[in-house]
Amino acid sequence: ETGVTQSPTHLIKTRGQQVTLRCSSQSGHNTVSWYQQALGQGPQFIFQYYREEENGRGNFPPRFSGLQFPNYSSELNVNALELDDSALYLCATGTGGSQGTQYFGPGTRLTVL
Amino acid sequence: EDQVTQSPEALRLQEGESSSLNCSYTVSGLRGLFWYRQDPGKGPEFLFTLYSAGEEKEKERLKATLTKKESFLHITAPKPEDSATYLCALTGAGNNRKLIWGLGTSLAVNP
Repeated sequence: ETGVTQSPTHLIKTRGQQVTLRCSSQSGHNTVSWYQQALGQGPQFIFQYYREEENGRGNFPPRFSGLQFPNYSSELNVNALELDDSALYLCATGTGGSQGTQYFGPGTRLTVL
Repeated sequence: EDQVTQSPEALRLQEGESSSLNCSYTVSGLRGLFWYRQDPGKGPEFLFTLYSAGEEKEKERLKATLTKKESFLHITAPKPEDSATYLCALTGAGNNRKLIWGLGTSLAVNP
């Protein structure tokens, strides 16, 4: 098992609400990436943070935002939830750089009704 | 455009029946190719990182190899506990550190 933890495990929200998902980094890792994974699909890159700065972003709208804290833990915030936001949200941590291996947490299952 | 294609989509093996999963790719300047295993509803579990053509890595019943166009994950004498989805991903010089993923191969090993 990795040292990456995510909370909560499961979450149910209604359309239009806001949600915050949390990720604790594995010790020694200063990079965190967030991914959205729909059923039967590969993970889709949302964004990456390196030393508290956004360091790359995928094709997600601005209502997806994030933070990385000095201890390298991270939050993913999603505003104005839509039904299509229902997915498994994964965070992955690493030591930075495009060659670096990323280690994933167990994920948060978000259901939007 | 950087792209990863995995085949087959699904594979069913008998316990002990060895096989290979394929990951073909196009990328501008490969930085790293990664293999992960994912169980239903869980986060991907890291298996291997490969950086250059000719490189090979092994772990228990799994062996990953890399050429300039594709990577193979060889499974020798699989057991039922090897049943999972195997995902291939890469980073390239032009994609700003994000992982580009294939859709995975769903492997079922029957006892």
